[in-house]
Amino acid sequence: DIQLTQSPASLSASPDEIVTITCQASQDIGSSLLWYQQKPGKSPQLLIYSATILADGVPSRFSGSRSGTQYSLKISRLQVEDIGTYYCLQVSSSLTFGSGTKLEIK
Amino acid sequence: QVTLKESGPGILQPSQTLSLTCTFSGFSLSTYGMGVGWIRQPSGKGLEWLANIWWDDDKYYNPSLKNRLTISKDTSNNQAFLKITNVDTADTATYYCARIAENWEGWYFDFWGPGTMVTVSS
Repeated sequence: DIQLTQSPASLSASPDEIVTITCQASQDIGSSLLWYQQKPGKSPQLLIYSATILADGVPSRFSGSRSGTQYSLKISRLQVEDIGTYYCLQVSSSLTFGSGTKLEIK
Repeated sequence: QVTLKESGPGILQPSQTLSLTCTFSGFSLSTYGMGVGWIRQPSGKGLEWLANIWWDDDKYYNPSLKNRLTISKDTSNNQAFLKITNVDTADTATYYCARIAENWEGWYFDFWGPGTMVTVSS
């Protein structure tokens, strides 16, 4: 099974800061990685697919990147409405989610 | 406009079979590249993928639960189903269904239902 190690588990940042969340895959998954945002009490929302492609309607301050088997989600200028939990999901083989990163605003 | 909505029993007893229905609109499961997946989330915990079904009736299951899961669809009525046999308290969770969309760049769950809470308790 492919494992995703997501970090950090939680973070607190101020508005306008740059925030980076990473997922390390246990083996090569190519570009088969997605990022989701889940706000409290809501369903997850797609942010990024194919590791780097911004989903429709997602603000351009969100971006995804890949370096080998490490994947990153970057929020370039954090906004208050970005609070929530972020998950990566690999769809290369027998889907697995990362453990989540809870983002809070200072 | 794509919408999905899950429905289930709410509460059931250990060893019973959990039957979930996803009723959707705005797309068809007979369209090339479309699919529906099921994902669950225990309260306060992370997401766990359960199963996918595709337009051509291909089915994929989480290996750790495969023996207990059955996914199916009713294309005519725009519904997808998931059955989980022999439930126990560890199956207590919110269950989501989500549309799978595919393009030349990849596939993804793009639209999700609001979720249905299922409690397994004696």
